[in-house]
Amino acid sequence: DTAVSQTPKYLVTQMGNDKSIKCEQNLGHDTMYWYKQDSKKFLKIMFSYNNKELIINETVPNRFSPKSPDKAHLNLHINSLELGDSAVYFCASSQGQGQEKLFFGSGTQLSVL
Amino acid sequence: GENVEQHPSTLSVQEGDSAVIKCTYSDSASNYFPWYKQELGKRPQLIIDIRSNVGEKKDQRIAVTLNKTAKHFSLHITETQPEDSAVYFCAASLGGGGADGLTFGKGTHLIIQP
Repeated sequence: DTAVSQTPKYLVTQMGNDKSIKCEQNLGHDTMYWYKQDSKKFLKIMFSYNNKELIINETVPNRFSPKSPDKAHLNLHINSLELGDSAVYFCASSQGQGQEKLFFGSGTQLSVL
Repeated sequence: GENVEQHPSTLSVQEGDSAVIKCTYSDSASNYFPWYKQELGKRPQLIIDIRSNVGEKKDQRIAVTLNKTAKHFSLHITETQPEDSAVYFCAASLGGGGADGLTFGKGTHLIIQP
C-alpha cells in the first residue's frame, strides 16, 4: 500500500485555469505538508496542517489554497494558474509537527502553458 | 531564519569509491539534521538523520557526521554503487515545527561512474 498518495501525477493546463491536487496518507500521521520543487530541484515548504489545523503558511500567493477535510487528506487548489507555477508539487506527512522523518508522495508535475 | 549551504552541487565518483557531501547551517539552535535521497523522477526519501546530541551515526554504507561548533555536517557514502546515483538533500531543523522548522540545502547530484 502506498503510504502517501497524490493525484494526478501529471497536470498540464493553460494559464488562467483553476486546478486541484489531492493527497491522502494512510500512515496515521498528524501532520501533512505541501512542498514545491522548482526546476533547479530546490525544495521549499508551502503549507502544513496538523490535525486539520493550518500551522505553516509560507509566503505563497493567495491563489494557492490548501484544504484539509480530515487529518488523512490535504488537498491543494490553485486559482488563475500562471507560467511561474510550473513545478513539481510534493505532498508529505510526518508524525509530529517538526517536519521530522517526512514521508513524501510521488509528486505532481504541473506544467502551465 | 536558518540558512543551509550544500556542496558540491555535482559530484562524480568511480564506482566503489567514497563520496562526501557537506552542508553548513547558520542557526546554532538547529538540532535535527536529516538527509534525503531523490532518484530521477521519484520522491525524496529519508536515508539517515542525526540529532545535535550525537556526533556521528552510521547505517551500513552511509554515515553522517556533525560538528556543532563549526555548524557543519556531512554525508559519507562508502563503496558507492550505481544505485547510489541520485540527488541528495541535507536539511536542518529547529525541531519545534513552525515555518522555520526545516530548511533544505539546494541538493547535490551524485553521479556514480561505472
